[in-house]
Amino acid sequence: SQQGEEDPQALSIQEGENATMNCSYKTSINNLQWYRQNSGRGLVHLILIRSNEREKHSGRLRVTLDTSKKSSSLLITASRAADTASYFCVPRVNNDMRFGAGTRLTVKP
Amino acid sequence: EPEVTQTPSHQVTQMGQEVILRCVPISNHLYFYWYRQILGQKVEFLVSFYNNEISEKSEIFDDQFSVERPDGSNFTLKIRSTKLEDSAMYFCASEALGQGNTEAFFGQGTRLTVV
Repeated sequence: SQQGEEDPQALSIQEGENATMNCSYKTSINNLQWYRQNSGRGLVHLILIRSNEREKHSGRLRVTLDTSKKSSSLLITASRAADTASYFCVPRVNNDMRFGAGTRLTVKP
Repeated sequence: EPEVTQTPSHQVTQMGQEVILRCVPISNHLYFYWYRQILGQKVEFLVSFYNNEISEKSEIFDDQFSVERPDGSNFTLKIRSTKLEDSAMYFCASEALGQGNTEAFFGQGTRLTVV
């Protein structure tokens, strides 16, 4: 089993700025998913990138994956106060889906 | 939009009592998960379930815990004899395909308070 390690642990930006979060993992994967959790609530799936993809976009989200470096990044462009949440990367191989400590993003109005 | 529902939203129980947390996964999903999150801490994987069997489980998921899909729609987590340290949010999730090939949908959680 493995979990992603997100960096930084916390990020504080102004509304309208871009936010970049990084993820590292240890072993080969089928794909990698990013999730968001608003304070104490259920997790919400944001985006899935497969191991043979290098970049994927969804709305204001851009995800990259570098399997040679075992790393991924999540970029949120033009951030909003509503983006304030914790963000998690989840490297997937099997049905052991584990979450790391996440990046706590605060977007100030 | 389909959703995973969990009941109850909040349960208070006496230490030593058994509790059953209930989840209704999305109807055509095949893989199911339970997680817990102690206040202020990270989301911890407990167990995954497929084809009426446990697929993976963590070191937290000891003999005090069990899971069941009693009627083809509900997915339950039972804690046999609750301890104070079992107080946490418990989240259920489901996904259509395993190994992360599809997105997982999470319920809003059950807050368990053991007194």
